[in-house]
Amino acid sequence: NAGVMQNPRHLVRRRGQEARLRCSPVKGHSHVYWYRQLPEEGLKFMVYLQKENIIDESGMPKERFSAEFPKEGPSILRIQQVVRGDSAAYFCASSDMGWSYNEQFFGPGTRLTVL
Amino acid sequence: DAKTTQPPSMDCAEGRAANLPCNHSTISGNEYVYWYRQIHSQGPQYIIHGLKNNETNEMASLIITEDRKSSTLILPHATLRDTAVYYCIVRVNGMGNQFYFGTGTSLTVIP
Repeated sequence: NAGVMQNPRHLVRRRGQEARLRCSPVKGHSHVYWYRQLPEEGLKFMVYLQKENIIDESGMPKERFSAEFPKEGPSILRIQQVVRGDSAAYFCASSDMGWSYNEQFFGPGTRLTVL
Repeated sequence: DAKTTQPPSMDCAEGRAANLPCNHSTISGNEYVYWYRQIHSQGPQYIIHGLKNNETNEMASLIITEDRKSSTLILPHATLRDTAVYYCIVRVNGMGNQFYFGTGTSLTVIP
């Protein structure tokens, strides 16, 4: 069974460019979550999506960040006009159900470096 | 969300049991206690979770006090590969499914 896949694993962008991070959930999972981890800090929730719907984006910055989980294909976290403060590890997790007590499976992360 | 308090760091001798404490004094009756760990630069890994009874799986045991205000994660025979940051998380009911990660306990297993 393939786990959560994220690509790219490392991404380097210059200030002002766009970053696209991809997440393929565990096969059969329809719930995806994105987290951000700044250096030396814990993970911070960003957004929770189900297929074609954003359920909770309370952790997303108001500008430049967007996420989608289309009917077909991976979930995408998009960061426009990146700044140095966006440098972080971005983790995706998936679960098979949206209930409160289900385990989330995490991917290996994408490490974004903004020059 | 219920906050958790964990010691920032701990050491454990290889082969000995590692006991990682967590305080969650404001936990609600329907909130579960989850434990995840993050080995350096990797994604978090699920370890175990429980509501009020003690739980055990192939990785660890979870001991929850009767009043549910605290819990202990036990790694029975720590190995060097158990060196990681361990997160104790209380799931908030009714606020979606995100997990609120604190800063965790950095466990170092010493040879």
